[in-house]
Amino acid sequence: QVHLVQSGSEVKKPGASVKVSCKTSGYTFKTIAITWVRQAPGQGLEWMGWISAYNGNKQYAQKFQGRVTLTTDTSTSTAYMELGSLRSDDTAVYFCARGQGWFDSWGQGTLLTVSS
Amino acid sequence: EIVLTQSPGTLSLSPGERATLSCRASQSVSSTFLAWYQQKPGQAPRLLIYGTSSRATGIPDRFSGSGSGTDFTLTISRLEPEDFAVYYCQQYGNSQGTFGPGTTVDF
Repeated sequence: QVHLVQSGSEVKKPGASVKVSCKTSGYTFKTIAITWVRQAPGQGLEWMGWISAYNGNKQYAQKFQGRVTLTTDTSTSTAYMELGSLRSDDTAVYFCARGQGWFDSWGQGTLLTVSS
Repeated sequence: EIVLTQSPGTLSLSPGERATLSCRASQSVSSTFLAWYQQKPGQAPRLLIYGTSSRATGIPDRFSGSGSGTDFTLTISRLEPEDFAVYYCQQYGNSQGTFGPGTTVDF
């Protein structure tokens, strides 16, 4: 079956960067895009962007343009989300999810805490 | 960006009752790219409905979706104890996705 396993929790200082990984298994990685979604504590879901695992095409939410970079490594079936210039309001759980239009499998989430 | 509004914010019901959740878009959404998710505390969201009305794998038939244009509905025909959760609608269009703010179904 399909699995998406994310890297562990992170604590970062304001201004730093973080890179979260999402290792996939159980399907052909190149066939389906990966989307990243975040959820601040006690808040709703926020769409950040997607990347094609086939050709690397990507699209970011305007809010994150210039701060987020999505990449993939097809040799390890892993997707990455790097977020820079971190602020305290970036504190959230970050999810990777399989799909572009809708998301049928999700990672377990990675808690990012941004604090001085 | 297409903004999704969900109502009500909270739906207080009892097991066995029918739940009707609304999702309204600020502009027309492709029916192909309107989905619904269920999320319980401490868990990742779970896909319930995609393409407005298609149930995801393993989703019981008490969950159904309908709608078109700017108005969409998720219906739970008879609430089971495990259905008490937060429900989000989500759309994808013009290479951008957005989620609604969620509806909490509690008792």
